[in-house]
Amino acid sequence: GQNIDQPTEMTATEGAIVQINCTYQTSGFNGLFWYQQHAGEAPTFLSYNVLDGLEEKGRFSSFLSRSKGYSYLLLKELQMKDSASYLCAVNAGGFKTIFGAGTRLFVKA
Amino acid sequence: DTGVSQDPRHKITKRGQNVTFRCDPISEHNRLYWYRQTLGQGPEFLTYFQNEAQLEKSRLLSDRFSAERPKGSFSTLEIQRTEQGDSAMYLCASSYTGAGGETQYFGPGTRLLVL
Repeated sequence: GQNIDQPTEMTATEGAIVQINCTYQTSGFNGLFWYQQHAGEAPTFLSYNVLDGLEEKGRFSSFLSRSKGYSYLLLKELQMKDSASYLCAVNAGGFKTIFGAGTRLFVKA
Repeated sequence: DTGVSQDPRHKITKRGQNVTFRCDPISEHNRLYWYRQTLGQGPEFLTYFQNEAQLEKSRLLSDRFSAERPKGSFSTLEIQRTEQGDSAMYLCASSYTGAGGETQYFGPGTRLLVL
C-alpha cells in the first residue's frame, strides 16, 4: 500500500529551529515534495528532493534518504507567519502524487 | 504567470442540487489534477488530465462526479445530487510534464458546503 506518516502537531518558539519528519512507503518513487498550507488556503510549493541529501532554500531546508524512506523539513529562525500545516507528498510515479495528512505547526512568541 | 485560478471560491448548496466548479491552470501546463481535502487531512486525488484526456479517476470519484477538460485548457468538475458528505475543499492543481518531478501548483480552492 501507499503510506505517508508525519506528526499531527508541533509547537515551537519564535526564532527557534524546528524539524518536521516524514516517513513514506510507496509503490514507486519519483521525488518528495514539501508544501506549506495556511488555514483555509491552498498548498504552496516549498521544496522538491529526488536525490539523497540536503536542499537548502533560505530559512527552509529539506533532507531526503531514499533507502530509509525518510525526509525532514527544517525551518530556521521561526517567524509567527510560519504557523501553518506542512504537507509531505511523494510522487509515486507519473502523475500519482500522494499526500500526507500534514503537520500543524504552531509558532509561539 | 497568473497562477492557477478556481471559481467559485465558496459554494453553499442544498442537498440534492448539482454544482459545477471551474479551474484555469497555468497556461503552459499540460497536466491538470483535481483533489478533495477535508479538515485535518491532506489532499486526496480525484482525477487527472493530460491535455484533454482524462487518464485516471480515483475510486473516490463516484458516478455523481464528472470532470471535463475540453480543448486541454480549463477544466470543470461537476457534482450531481450533492450529499452532505461532499462538503470539502476542492483543489485544482497543474503541472508541466517532466519539470521538477511533476511539481504541482495549486489554485486557491473551492470550498463547498452542502446543507
